Amino acid sequence: DSGVTQTPKHLITATGQRVTLRCSPRSGDLSVYWYQQSLDQGLQFLIQYYNGEERAKGNILERFSAQQFPDLHSELNLSSLELGDSALYFCASSSSGADPGELFFGEGSRLTVL
Amino acid sequence: GENVEQHPSTLSVQEGDSAVIKCTYSDSASNYFPWYKQELGKRPQLIIDIRSNVGEKKDQRIAVTLNKTAKHFSLHITETQPEDSAVYFCAATDYGNEKLTFGTGTRLTIIP
Repeated sequence: DSGVTQTPKHLITATGQRVTLRCSPRSGDLSVYWYQQSLDQGLQFLIQYYNGEERAKGNILERFSAQQFPDLHSELNLSSLELGDSALYFCASSSSGADPGELFFGEGSRLTVL
Repeated sequence: GENVEQHPSTLSVQEGDSAVIKCTYSDSASNYFPWYKQELGKRPQLIIDIRSNVGEKKDQRIAVTLNKTAKHFSLHITETQPEDSAVYFCAATDYGNEKLTFGTGTRLTIIP
């Protein structure tokens, strides 16, 4: 158990819909990262937050948005869903500021868009 | 931005033999290079990492080597066991930039 909690574990929805994925980082970790992993693909970095502020942005689509709340949990919002958005979405957390260190991944949220 | 290439994409080795996975990176400023292991249906987990001030690091059967001049680093697994079967990801980043860029992964299969 990494200490990172993601909900829901599985989600099936239709094209054009909107979903929200939730992540609670390890206790004390200030950084939250979101990664997308499509079938047989690598880990694509989406976005990172540190203590409530956006720190780094990757190839995140404009239809996607995220935020980190004062209690440090984070949400990833995916809207106008397309078939190609079907993937495993991982949240990870770390305690570090400038020094990356180890990322602790959650179990992931598997999104299926039909 | 950083670009990390990883080879091979698949690797099969006999149990007990060694496995080597190689990665190259593009950003000379990168100075932190972790390796993550992802078992089927599981989350990625850090297995070893190396920083740019060292050339090699070992942890039991696992070792990582780094050549900063050539901008490549490698994962070496000796005396492979069935539980080593997984997808392995290399990654790179630099201090002050927590955006880890991952390679595309290597699916390692250990043949009993």
